[in-house]
Amino acid sequence: QLQLQESGPGLVKPSETLSLTCTVSGGSISSSSYYWGWIRQPPGKGLEWIGSIYYSGSTYYNASLKSRLTISIDTSKNHFSLKLSSVTAADTAVYYCATDHSGSTPFDPWGQGTLVTVSS
Amino acid sequence: EIVLTQSPGTLSLSPGERATLSCRASQSVSSSYLAWYQQKPGQAPRLLVYGASSRATGIPDRFSGSGSGADFTLTISRLEPEDFAVYYCLQYGNLYSFGQGTKLEIK
Repeated sequence: QLQLQESGPGLVKPSETLSLTCTVSGGSISSSSYYWGWIRQPPGKGLEWIGSIYYSGSTYYNASLKSRLTISIDTSKNHFSLKLSSVTAADTAVYYCATDHSGSTPFDPWGQGTLVTVSS
Repeated sequence: EIVLTQSPGTLSLSPGERATLSCRASQSVSSSYLAWYQQKPGQAPRLLVYGASSRATGIPDRFSGSGSGADFTLTISRLEPEDFAVYYCLQYGNLYSFGQGTKLEIK
């Protein structure tokens, strides 16, 4: 059974780059059956899809974040990563990683989420 | 980008009652790639329904999804105390987008 776990700094300064990693266990990130995604949720607000990546390295980004966003995958470490540059307070959120079982179930399971605060 | 609009924003009901939540898309959702999630405070969202009407593993049969095209509904037949939460719809036929959520609260 797949399990996902986010990791990374909980505090990032304005204008700097937010970096998070999602480690996958219970299965291979190289499987052609899955897409790997990032979703965020500002405090007290709704869910926003950030972007997704396939094992081949193909990426799909939310147009509103595309200019600041890089998602990458490391099959040797069974993890994928998020980098969001030039952050502001509006990027403060709980960041989740999740898997999409291509052709079947969307985002399921999810990681537990990690709160990232943008503040000086 | 497909925009999903959920209604109502808040739904106040009592245990045992029936809940009907709506999700309307700005354009047709291809292949009924529409899902519903439940989220409780401090927890990650939980998948309830995918493909508009298929229940996810372990989801009680009081939860049912219906609809096609641009109009979808999540119905909870008889509310249990643990069902009071926030519900989101997600379309995954054209990249991904979430609705803004419906809060189901105890009346």
